[in-house]
Amino acid sequence: EAGVAQSPRYKIIEKRQSVAFWCNPISGHATLYWYQQILGQGPKLLIQFQNNGVVDDSQLPKDRFSAERLKGVDSTLKIQPAKLEDSAVYLCASSLRQGSEAFFGQGTRLTVV
Amino acid sequence: QKEVEQNSGPLSVPEGAIASLNCTYSDRVSQSFFWYRQYSGKSPELIMSIYSNGDKEDGRFTAQLNKASQYVSLLIRDSQPSDSATYLCAVGYSSASKIIFGSGTRLSIRP
Repeated sequence: EAGVAQSPRYKIIEKRQSVAFWCNPISGHATLYWYQQILGQGPKLLIQFQNNGVVDDSQLPKDRFSAERLKGVDSTLKIQPAKLEDSAVYLCASSLRQGSEAFFGQGTRLTVV
Repeated sequence: QKEVEQNSGPLSVPEGAIASLNCTYSDRVSQSFFWYRQYSGKSPELIMSIYSNGDKEDGRFTAQLNKASQYVSLLIRDSQPSDSATYLCAVGYSSASKIIFGSGTRLSIRP
């Protein structure tokens, strides 16, 4: 069974530029999560989807971050404009249903200079 | 107030000994609990899940859950150098079961 796919693996951008990350969850997984992990910290939940609906986005900085999950499968996370403090690893995870085990993709390491 | 608390470590354990990792959480209605292992530069990898009070064993790993005291722990028996990593405790919160992570405990197994 294929795991969670994410791209790109690495991205370097200048501050005030925009960037987008893509995630393809495990087939059949209804719940999709985007996390931000800053070096030395645990993953911080940015947004949670159940199929194509948003369940929780309370920690998403909505003035610059946006996310969508069209058709309840793939998802994209966008940052516009980026700030230096957005430098982090962005992790996508999926689970069969809410509350069940979540499996992570390899992540996208973003560096904002 | 942090929702999931872990000691950041580092926790140093001799090879072959038992490593004990602890985690407390604040939401009494939490229903799902997970332990992840994260090697440096890699993404978190699920190693255990537990949903009811008591112990759950899987190979060298045992997860323990006490909902009344709001803590969950992970025991690693016969610790190996390959167990050296950061261990993340995660809790499924609220009716939506959003999964919230602690900051992780760094474990170092010394030969």
